[in-house]
Amino acid sequence: GAGVSQSPRYKVAKRGQDVALRCDPISGHVSLFWYQQALGQGPEFLTYFQNEAQLDKSGLPSDRFFAERPEGSVSTLKIQRTQQEDSAVYLCASSAPGRGIYGYTFGSGTRLTVV
Amino acid sequence: GQNIDQPTEMTATEGAIVQINCTYQTSGFNGLFWYQQHAGEAPTFLSYNVLDGLEEKGRFSSFLSRSKGYSYLLLKELQMKDSASYLCAVRAGGSSNTGKLIFGQGTTLQVKP
Repeated sequence: GAGVSQSPRYKVAKRGQDVALRCDPISGHVSLFWYQQALGQGPEFLTYFQNEAQLDKSGLPSDRFFAERPEGSVSTLKIQRTQQEDSAVYLCASSAPGRGIYGYTFGSGTRLTVV
Repeated sequence: GQNIDQPTEMTATEGAIVQINCTYQTSGFNGLFWYQQHAGEAPTFLSYNVLDGLEEKGRFSSFLSRSKGYSYLLLKELQMKDSASYLCAVRAGGSSNTGKLIFGQGTTLQVKP
């Protein structure tokens, strides 16, 4: 597609519920990143994929967070047993090989509210 | 540790010039990025600096001093549509570099008529 697509755009979850957030990167983009952005803050790194390989998951805040990219394109971020502190915007970004100097193309994010 | 500092809020007048500063302390450095983010939207790329000096792109310019761990974004001829959050981000370096970006908290710029 023309840009990075994320769904759903908004998600309200009851505390304790599991959620799955989807990211469709730009076709051909090898690198894919997930970030968490709390209200009024800058994005914080969660995890990184190169194709289907998850090379860095150092930013995942707990073992309730899990990400996958099984075929090297679409990625899913799963949060189990959601808690109120998980409320944030979850951003996905992708980049193509050799395009690093232009940064990354971000999706519009999924706003997760845990009630 | 990793630390990126930028002012939380700034206000400027339409048509004026504003400078948004960013200081950083990171383990490794492989470039500094500025992004613009309107409320509820995706961050969009504005500029990239990896060498010291000034990069100019239309109404926007960005400066980097690696020895001082300092950058600024300069916006000229401010327009109302420039009201947004401006994010400073450093790309980590090193042998295990994954290219991840470390962001500051963002500077909310309000442009007034």
